[in-house]
Amino acid sequence: QKEVEQNSGPLSVPEGAIASLNCTYSDRGSQSFFWYRQYSGKSPELIMSIYSNGDKEDGRFTAQLNKASQYVSLLIRDSQPSDSATYLCAVGGGADGLTFGKGTHLIIQP
Amino acid sequence: DGGITQSPKYLFRKEGQNVTLSCEQNLNHDAMYWYRQDPGQGLRLIYYSQIVNDFQKGDIAEGYSVSREKKESFPLTVTSAQKNPTAFYLCASADSGNTIYFGEGSWLTVV
Repeated sequence: QKEVEQNSGPLSVPEGAIASLNCTYSDRGSQSFFWYRQYSGKSPELIMSIYSNGDKEDGRFTAQLNKASQYVSLLIRDSQPSDSATYLCAVGGGADGLTFGKGTHLIIQP
Repeated sequence: DGGITQSPKYLFRKEGQNVTLSCEQNLNHDAMYWYRQDPGQGLRLIYYSQIVNDFQKGDIAEGYSVSREKKESFPLTVTSAQKNPTAFYLCASADSGNTIYFGEGSWLTVV
């Protein structure tokens, strides 16, 4: 059984600070890693994807992957109130799509 | 615009009734998926299809059925055998890099 673990939160971060979201996964054969943002009552939207060890930056977002430790993280710099949402970590590598964590609820305090 | 269209957005089901959720995509993706999300819970895979006329059960397929007669369409039927169907249903498709994109979702409530 593939598992993806996230701290459910809520994680409260002051506006302008760095928000750090973490995720661990159980399947060592996983090849692809994603972060989705989900606002309440809405469907998830893709934020970042990462496939190899190291960091990947896109604007205010940085995804970090460490396959040896089976660990993925997402950093959000200069956090804004609009970043308040649930962030889903997803891990994949097979034909059955992605396995999702339960999400971390992030609150950015103005 | 390219994307995934789910309908209806809100649906109410009476006890013992079958209902069908529609999912259409114009992204030319081969792979399509149905997920269920309960409040405060993660996404759970119901069914998936990698190619037309072929589909596989996911982790929670009992009480659900699907068809894949066209590449663009992957409807989900929630049968009366599904005893607790109230949830948010998400249809998705994946590109060749296995990146999954979601439709806007359908809310199903049992009345």
